Amino acid sequence: NAGVTQTPKFQVLKTGQSMTLQCAQDMNHEYMSWYRQDPGMGLRLIHYSVGAGITDQGEVPNGYNVSRSTTEDFPLRLLSAAPSQTSVYFCASTGDEGKLFFGSGTQLSVL
Amino acid sequence: AQTVTQSQPEMSVQEAETVTLSCTYDTSESDYYLFWYKQPPSRQMILVIRQEAYKQQNATENRFSVNFQKAAKSFSLKISDSQLGDAAMYFCAYSDRGSTLGRLYFGRGTQLTVWP
Repeated sequence: NAGVTQTPKFQVLKTGQSMTLQCAQDMNHEYMSWYRQDPGMGLRLIHYSVGAGITDQGEVPNGYNVSRSTTEDFPLRLLSAAPSQTSVYFCASTGDEGKLFFGSGTQLSVL
Repeated sequence: AQTVTQSQPEMSVQEAETVTLSCTYDTSESDYYLFWYKQPPSRQMILVIRQEAYKQQNATENRFSVNFQKAAKSFSLKISDSQLGDAAMYFCAYSDRGSTLGRLYFGRGTQLTVWP
């Protein structure tokens, strides 16, 4: 059982480049989310989805785009990367009683 | 909006000793979950312990236990018999049970150092 699979683990971008962070879960969870982690800030919610076809903004959504075409997949898109988006990104899905299952994280650097 | 506060950016403990990490939260809800997550240098987020607000009994997982004070909105984590492997960043987190179940609000974390 793979759980939450997040790729890539590391990525370096130049300002203005675009990329997609992939996230897939095999637990048939309806709720999925993306967080970013910055030093001294904890984890902050970027976007979330309560099911296929439904997405909504979290605390820090600017500069990011998401879609949820299937229950399994929830990719996060950076359309035009900025240095302020240098961070560690986590995808998560929610199981019973609010328990979150996290991916292994993506270290993103934007130069 | 719900907020979670960890007032100790750093803590340290001697191996085999006990340490308590503090967490307070603010919410108008009566039914919710509280969590402690551990993040070692590997970056993986590991669930340490979970508390349901409607349960008065404090949760315990082996050497980890919580002191849940609902009226005071306090949720501290006690680590007994500390081990070198306990060294990590610890995050306190809150989640509603209602329509926003699954959305976690995190504190800023406490970096725990364990000395041999």
